[in-house]
Amino acid sequence: EAGVTQFPSHSVIEKGQTVTLRCDPISGHDNLYWYRRVMGKEIKFLLHFVKESKQDESGMPNNRFLAERTGGTYSTLKVQPAELEDSGVYFCASSQEITGHHTEAFFGQGTRLTVV
Amino acid sequence: GEDVEQSLFLSVREGDSSVINCTYTDSSSTYLYWYKQEPGAGLQLLTYIFSNMDMKQDQRLTVLLNKKDKHLSLRIADTQTGDSAIYFCAERKGDFNKFYFGSGTKLNVKP
Repeated sequence: EAGVTQFPSHSVIEKGQTVTLRCDPISGHDNLYWYRRVMGKEIKFLLHFVKESKQDESGMPNNRFLAERTGGTYSTLKVQPAELEDSGVYFCASSQEITGHHTEAFFGQGTRLTVV
Repeated sequence: GEDVEQSLFLSVREGDSSVINCTYTDSSSTYLYWYKQEPGAGLQLLTYIFSNMDMKQDQRLTVLLNKKDKHLSLRIADTQTGDSAIYFCAERKGDFNKFYFGSGTKLNVKP
């Protein structure tokens, strides 16, 4: 079974351009998360989808970031316009949570975004 | 990170034990985790511990949790060169997999 897949693996764009990152979760996983690691710092939570709905978007840095999960399958994270400080590694994770039980979150390999 | 702190680097010799430490701030955390990231790879769950436990052992890995001091450690016995990676400590506070990660500890294992 395929794991969490992220595309592209690397992206280099100029400041002011738009970039769209994609995440394909493990099939059947209702929960999808986006995280970001900037410049070797901690990995920070961005947002959480349950199916197609945004459960928690408290970590989104500003309105230049837009996440969608139409149909509750794959998700996209668009940055428009990109700024230098948006550079980092963007991770996606998925899980199928069961109330009262511990379930594992599976992470993708990440997309390394470089804004120049 | 504001919530979870780790030292940035650790260097050990092959065959020695490695101990990676982490402090967290929220006593309401439900689970605490150790993730491993090898070069070019994603985050791999190594082990986790429920907040009402003190210790968990899984083959070469031992996790110790001191809730009073909010201190978590990961001990790797008989460290191998394949253990070289970045190790992230993380806490989970609610019902979902919303994690608060540390900055990661880069473990270098010398042959």
